[in-house]
Amino acid sequence: NAGVTQTPKFRILKIGQSMTLQCTQDMNHNYMYWYRQDPGMGLKLIYYSVGAGITDKGEVPNGYNVSRSTTEDFPLRLELAAPSQTSVYFCASSYQQSSGANVLTFGAGSRLTVL
Amino acid sequence: AQSVSQHNHHVILSEAASLELGCNYSYGGTVNLFWYVQYPGQHLQLLLKYFSGDPLVKGIKGFEAEFIKSKFSFNLRKPSVQWSDTAEYFCAVNRNTDKLIFGTGTRLQVFP
Repeated sequence: NAGVTQTPKFRILKIGQSMTLQCTQDMNHNYMYWYRQDPGMGLKLIYYSVGAGITDKGEVPNGYNVSRSTTEDFPLRLELAAPSQTSVYFCASSYQQSSGANVLTFGAGSRLTVL
Repeated sequence: AQSVSQHNHHVILSEAASLELGCNYSYGGTVNLFWYVQYPGQHLQLLLKYFSGDPLVKGIKGFEAEFIKSKFSFNLRKPSVQWSDTAEYFCAVNRNTDKLIFGTGTRLQVFP
């Protein structure tokens, strides 16, 4: 069982370039999330999805786009990379417990540097 | 706005010392509480969680946390830390299926 798989693990971009971070989960989770992690700032939610065809903004969505065409995949797109987007990006998915709470399973992360 | 505060940003301990990491949240009403751990170079893993019932929750690797509703707190404890506990620890909170909000994290360094 692979869990949550992210690619690539590392990437260096030039300012203004675009790229897509891929995220796939094989646990049939309805919920999927993208977080960015910056030193001393914890994790900030970029976008999330409660099911295929449904996405919503999190705390820091500017400069990013997402789509959710299937249950398994939740790619994150950077259209015009900026140095402020240098970060480690984590994809996560979750299932809804009987209490209504979600327990997140995280991917291994993608380290992005924009120069 | 809802927030989660972790007041200890960096904690340094010797092996066998006791650990307590603070976590306070600003939500009202019923909440779900989590502690996640991130070992160096790895992704976040669930350490323990509280949804309801006994406010003293036991997790993996000898960790436990106590939910004190009147203090809006969910502090993480371990009686005797090991070098392998060196990691970053994140508290997280949500209500029902709301978005999970993370604290800024506490870096723990344990020296032999």
